Amino acid sequence: EAGVAQSPRYKIIEKRQSVAFWCNPISGHATLYWYQQILGQGPKLLIQFQNNGVVDDSQLPKDRFSAERLKGVDSTLKIQPAKLEDSAVYLCASSLGTGGENNEQFFGPGTRLTVL
Amino acid sequence: GQSLEQPSEVTAVEGAIVQINCTYQTSGFYGLSWYQQHDGGAPTFLSYNALDGLEETGRFSSFLSRSDSYGYLLLQELQMKDSASYFCAVRRGSTLGRLYFGRGTQLTVWP
Repeated sequence: EAGVAQSPRYKIIEKRQSVAFWCNPISGHATLYWYQQILGQGPKLLIQFQNNGVVDDSQLPKDRFSAERLKGVDSTLKIQPAKLEDSAVYLCASSLGTGGENNEQFFGPGTRLTVL
Repeated sequence: GQSLEQPSEVTAVEGAIVQINCTYQTSGFYGLSWYQQHDGGAPTFLSYNALDGLEETGRFSSFLSRSDSYGYLLLQELQMKDSASYFCAVRRGSTLGRLYFGRGTQLTVWP
């Protein structure tokens, strides 16, 4: 089965510019996650969707970050305006979300963002 | 809040056994997951413990002690390809609860 797809793979922007990332989860996965991974650290959850509803966005800097998951499938994450500290890899993950025991998350390859 | 502690680096030789420890402090603890991430790659799921005890999956095993807020990942018969970062992650609340990842342990396997 196809994995989680993300684009673009790399993005370089200047501070105060806007950027958007796209994610297509594994077919049939109800739960979609966006993580930020700063170099040398573990992934940090930004937002979690269950179908097209937000389950957890407590760590999302809402003054500059936004995300949507229209129709409960694809998702986009936007940063506007970007700051230097937003330089990181943005990972999208999905899981079945049926409440099964381990609810394993499958990660996409990520988008490496560099803010200059 | 929550905190997870794991060693930043571990080194071992091929064929050896290595244990990566993880201690955590969190409310609403539900389970402990382990993920592997190669440089430039995506994290991939290795194992999950919700109950005390040992879970074995091939060369990898994971252990959890809820009373000690402690778990470990055991890697046996190490291979060069096992060189990667290993993250423990705490799940809070339920199977649909969010994961909180540690800072990761960089494992280097020498020939």
